[in-house]
Amino acid sequence: EAEVAQSPRYKITEKSQAVAFWCDPISGHATLYWYRQILGQGPELLVQFQDESVVDDSQLPKDRFSAERLKGVDSTLKIQPAELGDSAMYLCASSPGQFGSYTFGSGTRLTVV
Amino acid sequence: SQQGEEDPQALSIQEGENATMNCSYKTSINNLQWYRQNSGRGLVHLILIRSNEREKHSGRLRVTLDTSKKSSSLLITASRAADTASYFCATDEAAAGNKLTFGGGTRVLVKP
Repeated sequence: EAEVAQSPRYKITEKSQAVAFWCDPISGHATLYWYRQILGQGPELLVQFQDESVVDDSQLPKDRFSAERLKGVDSTLKIQPAELGDSAMYLCASSPGQFGSYTFGSGTRLTVV
Repeated sequence: SQQGEEDPQALSIQEGENATMNCSYKTSINNLQWYRQNSGRGLVHLILIRSNEREKHSGRLRVTLDTSKKSSSLLITASRAADTASYFCATDEAAAGNKLTFGGGTRVLVKP
């Protein structure tokens, strides 16, 4: 069964350092999402891509977060500089199109110390 | 911001019992989806119910949707220890452009 690949699985970084996460969606899925999930809460959308274009990044803290999806395939989410409050699970998901279900990756657990 | 609110926040039951959790939302939707998340893992899609549907079944899962009350329920029948997980409802809002908004989740513990 096709999966959404994410790496790394875990990341520990010191505050003020830069960190990057990678996501490879299911082949052919045009829409890619990055969500952040704080422990004990539901996921919150950070950014949505349609192919290589950003559709929604209204909740992305743009002073420190950036996301790209070059060539409309895999995607990278970067945080620079990391803050203690960024500690969370970062989830990538993809979907084939409108009004369908999402397939999530296993996530990257970020701990900022 | 989170559109859906799950109730209860946590649920503890014995194996074999049924588990029911509810979700309320605020705006018009295209569909509502339920996901399961095992501890420390990604979310797994369980079931999608469209706005013009009232009930849907998948194995031991039964989902209802009442658009007049803006609410949904997920029933897990004959629960198993392996059903221990967090369950999230997510709404695909009509005006939001294919973007799922998740609730805070219900943490279910099934005791053997």
